[in-house]
Amino acid sequence: QVQIIQSGAEVKKPGASVRLSCEASGFTFTDYYMHWVRQAPGQGLEWMAMINPSGDSTTYAQKFQGRVTMTRDASTSTVYMELSSLSSEDTAIYYCARDLTRLWFGELLPEYYFDYWGQGTLVTVSS
Amino acid sequence: SSELTQDPAVSVALGQTVRITCQADRLSLYYAGWYQQRPGQAPVLVIYGKNTRPSGIPDRFSGSYSGNTASLTITGAQAEDEADYYCSSRDSSDSHLRVFGGGTKLTVL
Repeated sequence: QVQIIQSGAEVKKPGASVRLSCEASGFTFTDYYMHWVRQAPGQGLEWMAMINPSGDSTTYAQKFQGRVTMTRDASTSTVYMELSSLSSEDTAIYYCARDLTRLWFGELLPEYYFDYWGQGTLVTVSS
Repeated sequence: SSELTQDPAVSVALGQTVRITCQADRLSLYYAGWYQQRPGQAPVLVIYGKNTRPSGIPDRFSGSYSGNTASLTITGAQAEDEADYYCSSRDSSDSHLRVFGGGTKLTVL
């Protein structure tokens, strides 16, 4: 069965960086786009970033451009997200999610949906 | 960029039918995904595309479109359906970007 297991909670000081990970299993890792989505306390979901199956192309929400880096390691089926210059506004639960990727004439294309989610990682930014 | 607009809160009597809506430009062209999020849990995809339910999602959940509005309908709402519901789709001007609606809190009375 598909599983996405995320790393544990983090506490960071303002200005620091945080690197989160999620390990995927139960599916062919290199056949799927992956995403990061966050949710501030009491707020809605916010899409942050996407990475293609081979890991050589990323797309970031404009809000996070220059502060976020998403990578993946096929050898360990792990996706990473590093967010820098943290502020209290970055306090949130961060989710890793699989894209409902489709195969179109031999090419893997991202869909607009997230079919499996990790359990979330709480990042607290506080001085 | 684009926004997906949802009503903040909706209520429904137990066993009745409720519709949760999501509005944005060209949504009927790109389609939407719907997610259920119970307190303290990760979101779960309940409907995507034209009207597709992932495996394990009860058939009381369905999706539809009218103009620029996507709707999630729960026919015969159950107590366990009380949750936050979010829609998502691509950005209307950039196919690489994704966007979520603000979410709708569903209360089952």
